[in-house]
Amino acid sequence: NAGVMQNPRHLVRRRGQEARLRCSPMKGHSHVYWYRQLPEEGLKFMVYLQKENIIDESGMPKERFSAEFPKEGPSILRIQQVVRGDSAAYFCASSIGQDNSPLHFGNGTRLTVT
Amino acid sequence: AQSVTQPDIHITVSEGASLELRCNYSYGATPYLFWYVQSPGQGLQLLLKYFSGDTLVQGIKGFEAEFKRSQSSFNLRKPSVHWSDAAEYFCAVGGRDFNKFYFGSGTKLNVKP
Repeated sequence: NAGVMQNPRHLVRRRGQEARLRCSPMKGHSHVYWYRQLPEEGLKFMVYLQKENIIDESGMPKERFSAEFPKEGPSILRIQQVVRGDSAAYFCASSIGQDNSPLHFGNGTRLTVT
Repeated sequence: AQSVTQPDIHITVSEGASLELRCNYSYGATPYLFWYVQSPGQGLQLLLKYFSGDTLVQGIKGFEAEFKRSQSSFNLRKPSVHWSDAAEYFCAVGGRDFNKFYFGSGTKLNVKP
């Protein structure tokens, strides 16, 4: 049973370019979460999605960041016009969204903005 | 406001010694509590979780944690640490709405031979 799959593992972008991070949840999971981890910091919640719906995006920066979880295909976290401060590890997690269901994490995408 | 505090940023213990990592939380409803471990360059792996019932929960790799409601704590323990336990450990709290989970800033564990 494959776990949460994130790609790419490493992504390098120049300032002003766009970054697209993909996440395929565990089989049977319909709830996806995106977290950002800055160096020497913990995980910061960004957004929580279910299929075709954004449930909670209170942790998303107001500009340049967007997320989707279409009916078919992976969840996408999109960062437009990246800046150096966007450099971080971005983790996706999934769950079945019921009681007693913890988050299962992917191995993350490490974004470097040069 | 919901939050998780892990007061120890770095901890070093000798191999074979006991370990306790502290976690305090603030949560307005009945909390679900978790401990995760992260090895360098990897994602987070679930060690154990508490939802209800027995306040002492057992996890993988010989870890256990005790929920103390009166102290708003969920400390992680292991009787004898192995070199392979060197990693970063995160405490997290969530609730029944599953809208978001709150993570502490992590504790980096170093194990001396």
